[in-house]
Amino acid sequence: GAVVSQHPSRVICKSGTSVKIECRSLDFQATTMFWYRQFPKQSLMLMATSNEGSKATYEQGVEKDKFLINHASLTLSTLTVTSAHPEDSSFYICSAPTHGSQETQYFGPGTRLLVL
Amino acid sequence: SQQGEEDPQALSIQEGENATMNCSYKTSINNLQWYRQNSGRGLVHLILIRSNEREKHSGRLRVTLDTSKKSSSLLITASRAADTASYFCATAEDSSYKLIFGSGTRLLVRP
Repeated sequence: GAVVSQHPSRVICKSGTSVKIECRSLDFQATTMFWYRQFPKQSLMLMATSNEGSKATYEQGVEKDKFLINHASLTLSTLTVTSAHPEDSSFYICSAPTHGSQETQYFGPGTRLLVL
Repeated sequence: SQQGEEDPQALSIQEGENATMNCSYKTSINNLQWYRQNSGRGLVHLILIRSNEREKHSGRLRVTLDTSKKSSSLLITASRAADTASYFCATAEDSSYKLIFGSGTRLLVRP
């Protein structure tokens, strides 16, 4: 069964609104989670590393004020897309290192965001 | 930024044939991993090969790694229609567990 869940799976919002996406690790704790963005037929682009109890680490070119990340507990990280615009429409995927080897990752099923 | 490129970008084969996908990367790595993604879904880990390994097998999967050429290949033998998916290589540079993904290969296995 799924070990990392995301909610919602799909969201449609109006331009200018904010959208929160949740990523949960099921039955295991994740002090670190990762957020990726994927455009159609393209690869995953790492956006940021979410760290439990501390600030997220953002990749170059990712606006931290636009993509707010909160990792308030050992099983939950949230990504908030603030003041969303149509160009933010994408597939957002989170992942967490596996609780076994830590080298591989469990991925969530993704959240498809459409900004009108 | 993306670590490297995969080729081919797309591959269409008949069921039963073998599929080979190649991945190139740019920096030194700790390990290289292959993941599979069904359309519109999350990724599933397939296999990991460490920088000091040259070849690894898992069921119908065979992965090679050439660190001198900074390249890896994934071979799927006796393909099945259910193997239809996108396949991505991902590299880990260090112990931070951060993965950088290649551009991916879209595989279509025709029944």
